[in-house]
Amino acid sequence: QVQLVQSGAEVKKSGASVKVSCKASGYTFNGYYIHWVRQAPGQGFEWMGWINPNSGGTNYAQKFQGWVTMTRDTSIKTAYMDLSRLKSDDTAVYYCARDKYLGLGYFDLWGRGTLVIVSS
Amino acid sequence: QSALTQPPSASGSPGQSVTISCTGASSDVGTYNYVSWYQHHPGNAPKVMIYEVSKRPSGVPDRFSGSKSGNTASLTVSGLQAEDEADYYCSSYAGSNNLVFGGGTKLTVL
Repeated sequence: QVQLVQSGAEVKKSGASVKVSCKASGYTFNGYYIHWVRQAPGQGFEWMGWINPNSGGTNYAQKFQGWVTMTRDTSIKTAYMDLSRLKSDDTAVYYCARDKYLGLGYFDLWGRGTLVIVSS
Repeated sequence: QSALTQPPSASGSPGQSVTISCTGASSDVGTYNYVSWYQHHPGNAPKVMIYEVSKRPSGVPDRFSGSKSGNTASLTVSGLQAEDEADYYCSSYAGSNNLVFGGGTKLTVL
């Protein structure tokens, strides 16, 4: 079955880091970029960046440069998003999504999201 | 880059048509034909309804259509059905490997 399965909800303290995983199945993992998108409570989607699973190359939205790290482990077909120095307004649902157009933004497959709650 | 601008809400009765706009800039929507629309039922994974401005993925009803004029893209839902009630988001490629989303529109079927 073609799917992206994300890790479970996290509760973190301000200043901590969180690492969310996104495991792919049913398709060639290396063939599609993985993007990360977040949605804060009551807000819209916010694009964070992407990773090319084939090369490990990354591209981050300017807002997140310096505090997000996207990695992957091709042996287990899993992408990771690591966000550091968490603040309360990082509380959001974090989604991974497969890009059929290698960075141009055609997300044909999404994970169900991982809720990250940041408490002070 | 700034988020694309969508109306916060839209509504229509069953069977009617509704159009949701998505206004960007010449640096994103106005230049690139990589505009997508996503349907999101909260709690579920989002689903792509339109890509490349007006293309429909397999399985998406032809009641959904997309278009673009200048810096504004639009999603039209014809023959509204109860299951169309959801949040809709547009996105656009914005050059230099960047993407931008709209703020979302809550579609209510009256």
